[in-house]
Amino acid sequence: EPEVTQTPSHQVTQMGQEVILRCVPISNHLYFYWYRQILGQKVEFLVSFYNNEISEKSEIFDDQFSVERPDGSNFTLKIRSTKLEDSAMYFCASSEASGADTQYFGPGTRLTVL
Amino acid sequence: GENVEQHPSTLSVQEGDSAVIKCTYSDSASNYFPWYKQELGKRPQLIIDIRSNVGEKKDQRIAVTLNKTAKHFSLHITETQPEDSAVYFCAASIQGYSTLTFGKGTMLLVSP
Repeated sequence: EPEVTQTPSHQVTQMGQEVILRCVPISNHLYFYWYRQILGQKVEFLVSFYNNEISEKSEIFDDQFSVERPDGSNFTLKIRSTKLEDSAMYFCASSEASGADTQYFGPGTRLTVL
Repeated sequence: GENVEQHPSTLSVQEGDSAVIKCTYSDSASNYFPWYKQELGKRPQLIIDIRSNVGEKKDQRIAVTLNKTAKHFSLHITETQPEDSAVYFCAASIQGYSTLTFGKGTMLLVSP
């Protein structure tokens, strides 16, 4: 069964550094998402992406964040200047369609900002 | 925006008992309600979902009920097993949007 994959599994960075988190969505899916989960808390929506542009974003997704689909398979989340409070698990997800359609989550990237 | 409340935050049951987790949502335009199971350190995995055109859905030991009038939905697990131990998240999605709004999660502990 196809799965969403993410790399790296764990990223440690210094405050102020840029990080890029990578995701490979399921191949026939058209909608891509990033969520984050601070340790012990609920999963929070960051951004959704369709047809090479952002379709929705939350208030968490400020100017420090950007997303890109650099090629036909990868979907990336960039954090320009990391802050301590960016430390969290970041999940990528994908779905075939929008709206009421099943979203499949990747295994996550644990980001630790020191 | 949508707000999803989930109760209880922790639930301890004996193996073989039933477990019920409840969620309420705020936006009557929400029409899709998935439930995810997350084991420690792993990805959320969809276990069951329901759309607003049905009131109940069942898959083996798992069932979900939806009350649109009251804006609440519940997860029912029967004959619980130790491997059911995990954090369970409910979520809601507003019609026409792709955002999933999650509840805070319920840690289910099933003791042998």
